[in-house]
Amino acid sequence: EEQLVESGGGFVQPGGSLRLSCAASGFTLRSYSMNWVRQAPGKGLEWVSYISGSSATIYYADSVKGRFTISRDNVRNSLYLQMNSLRAVDTAVYYCARGYYQSGMDSFDIWGQGTLVTVSS
Amino acid sequence: DIQMTQSPSSLSASVGDRVTVTCRASQSISFYLNWYQQKSGKAPKLLIYAASTLYTGVPSRFSGSGSGTDFTLTIGSLQPEDFGTYYCQQTYSAPLTFGGGTKVEIK
Repeated sequence: EEQLVESGGGFVQPGGSLRLSCAASGFTLRSYSMNWVRQAPGKGLEWVSYISGSSATIYYADSVKGRFTISRDNVRNSLYLQMNSLRAVDTAVYYCARGYYQSGMDSFDIWGQGTLVTVSS
Repeated sequence: DIQMTQSPSSLSASVGDRVTVTCRASQSISFYLNWYQQKSGKAPKLLIYAASTLYTGVPSRFSGSGSGTDFTLTIGSLQPEDFGTYYCQQTYSAPLTFGGGTKVEIK
């Protein structure tokens, strides 16, 4: 079964840091682009970051640019999100999602269960 | 950045009803439009990609249409398990924005 499992969420004070991990199983991670998407409590989905299979192309949402860093280890079949200078507005469930490239277009076909990040003093 | 606007924000319909959700992009995105379903406390699930292609395993009562700036998700005959929130998403250009969501409730 193709699966993504996030870890690393938790409680952190404003200004602090956390590193999220996303472990892939059932498929070869290097063949796919990957994304992080977050959802604040009671709110909609917000795309956070994208990384291509080779890590050659990376994008960030303006809200996290300069504070968050996406990376991947294709040998370990894992995706990461380093989050620095965290703010209360970063409080959310963070999902990793696999890029599904069909018909020349991307979508997100497999999602993890999510990991909750709470930023509060 | 491309803004995605969904309407309505919520709706209530009966089993068997035909349900339509619309999504409008702030600029043309060709067919780079996806639809997801999310149930409370769960991760989203891909329903439709490239505006009108049904993802593997998704029931045929779901369909998508549109191109450019205006898109539609249709549930042909609403079933009890179709409750949840539906999101559109553009992947034409970064940032890969989502619509605000449409909450579907069963009467």
